[in-house]
Amino acid sequence: EPEVTQTPSHQVTQMGQEVILRCVPISNHLYFYWYRQILGQKVEFLVSFYNNEISEKSEIFDDQFSVERPDGSNFTLKIRSTKLEDSAMYFCASSALAGGTEAFFGQGTRLTVV
Amino acid sequence: ILNVEQSPQSLHVQEGDSTNFTCSFPSSNFYALHWYRWETAKSPEALFVMTLNGDEKKKGRISATLNTKEGYSYLYIKGSQPEDSATYLCAFPDSNYQLIWGAGTKLIIKP
Repeated sequence: EPEVTQTPSHQVTQMGQEVILRCVPISNHLYFYWYRQILGQKVEFLVSFYNNEISEKSEIFDDQFSVERPDGSNFTLKIRSTKLEDSAMYFCASSALAGGTEAFFGQGTRLTVV
Repeated sequence: ILNVEQSPQSLHVQEGDSTNFTCSFPSSNFYALHWYRWETAKSPEALFVMTLNGDEKKKGRISATLNTKEGYSYLYIKGSQPEDSATYLCAFPDSNYQLIWGAGTKLIIKP
């Protein structure tokens, strides 16, 4: 069964460092998303990506964040200068269509900023 | 700002009992309502995507109903089993089709 894969599963980084979280969405899906969940809090939408550009982003997704689909298969989230409050589980998801079809999630990357 | 509310926040149920919980969402400009199950140390897994008022969907012992006019959906679990322990999330697409998530109902099945 096709699945969304994320790497790494756990990333520890020092405050101020750049991190890149990687995702391989399901191959025939058109919409790609990043979400995060800070421990004990709600799932938060970060950004959606369609047709090689950002289609929507939340207030969380400021200038420190960027996304890229460099080669038609990978979908990456870059945090330019990490802060302690960026520590969270980051989930990548993809869907065949926008909100009317289910989103398939990766296993997540636990980012710990120290 | 759209808000999706889920209740209760957590629920302890005896193994074998049936249970249900609620998701409330804006009733205007309805597009779809999603239910996901999120087990500890795993990623969210879609249960249902519901689009029609009055719709009822079923997957094994889990079913869901939808009332778009009053803005709520119920998720039912019949004969709870330990493997049903998880957080159940509902999500509602906004006008840009981005999913707005509820905080979830954490279900714990007691043996």
